[in-house]
Amino acid sequence: DIQMTQSPASLSASLEEIVTITCQASQDIGNYLSWYQQKPGKSPQLLIHSATSLADGVPSRFSGSRSGTQYSLKINRLQVEDTGIYYCLQHYSAWTFGGGTKLELK
Amino acid sequence: QVTLKESGPGILQPSQTLSLTCTFSGFSLSTYGMGVGWIRQPSGKGLEWLANIWWDDDKYYNPSLKNRLTISKDTSNNQAFLKITNVDTADTATYYCARIVTTVMDAWGQGASVTVSS
Repeated sequence: DIQMTQSPASLSASLEEIVTITCQASQDIGNYLSWYQQKPGKSPQLLIHSATSLADGVPSRFSGSRSGTQYSLKINRLQVEDTGIYYCLQHYSAWTFGGGTKLELK
Repeated sequence: QVTLKESGPGILQPSQTLSLTCTFSGFSLSTYGMGVGWIRQPSGKGLEWLANIWWDDDKYYNPSLKNRLTISKDTSNNQAFLKITNVDTADTATYYCARIVTTVMDAWGQGASVTVSS
């Protein structure tokens, strides 16, 4: 099974700060990696697909990148509405989610 | 507009079979590349992928749960289904269904809460 190690588990950042969340895949998954944001009591919302493609309607301050088997989600100029829990999902084989990153405002 | 809505029993007893229905609109499961997936989330915990079904009736299951899961679809009525046999308290969770477009899970339902309790 492919493991997705997501870090950090929690993160506190200030408004306008740059935030980076990473997921490390246990083996090659190509670009079969998506990022989701989940707000309390809500279902996850797609932010990034295919490792680097911004989903429709998602602000351009969100971006995704890949370096080998490490994937990153970057939020430029953090806004209040960006708080929540972020998950990566590998959909290459027997899909698996990362453990999540709880993002709070400092 | 794509919408999905999950429905289930709400509460059931250990050892019973959990039956969930995902009723969707705005897309067809007979369209090439389209699929529906099921995901669950225990309260306060992370997401766990359960199963996918595709337009061509191909099915994929979480290996750790495969023996207990059955996914199916009714294309004519825009529904997908998931059955989990022999439930126990560890199956208590919110269950989501989601649309999949060429492997991207791009739209989710609001979730259905399921409690397993004696």
